[in-house]
Amino acid sequence: DTAVSQTPKYLVTQMGNDKSIKCEQNLGHDTMYWYKQDSKKFLKIMFSYNNKELIINETVPNRFSPKSPDKAHLNLHINSLELGDSAVYFCASSQAGTGLNEQYFGPGTRLTVT
Amino acid sequence: GEDVEQSLFLSVREGDSSVINCTYTDSSSTYLYWYKQEPGAGLQLLTYIFSNMDMKQDQRLTVLLNKKDKHLSLRIADTQTGDSAIYFCAERYSGAGSYQLTFGKGTKLSVIP
Repeated sequence: DTAVSQTPKYLVTQMGNDKSIKCEQNLGHDTMYWYKQDSKKFLKIMFSYNNKELIINETVPNRFSPKSPDKAHLNLHINSLELGDSAVYFCASSQAGTGLNEQYFGPGTRLTVT
Repeated sequence: GEDVEQSLFLSVREGDSSVINCTYTDSSSTYLYWYKQEPGAGLQLLTYIFSNMDMKQDQRLTVLLNKKDKHLSLRIADTQTGDSAIYFCAERYSGAGSYQLTFGKGTKLSVIP
């Protein structure tokens, strides 16, 4: 069974459009994340979210918004897409606490903005 | 803020040892991690070390931690072509009441047959 899944795997869209990427985890974790990986493979945290708080990386434009309908889902909504938004977006989850906090990653969504 | 540095590329011959180095800034980090990303896939935790340890060995993998210099390394013995991937060093830090990870830029390991 897939632990962290994302849909779609590939997304090609035009500038100015609004799109969403879905993420689901079946691990019972209480914290979920969105990362952006650029063309050089650099990985940057965008958001982390649990049922208590949303932590936003201050460099993320407010066109990006996470939406969590329940503990197992954290979707990423992007308004007014720009060329620079093209990247691979990874969802991840972990269990909060003082333990290892291993993050489990989804397979990624490759977003191409034309 | 927290910063993790690692070299971007490493090329080794099959059967040799690979050593990937990383430096970090947060001296209070309790866990340090190595994640592996194979082409077209997400990251997977490869190994980790707790901050009160100097070394951890797991089969072909050896992690060394020098807390004084804030230096972490990953040694892969008898490197195989299947080890070709990007390896990310990460440190855990506490931010706004929860733990976050800061990842390095990743080291692309290429194994030459």
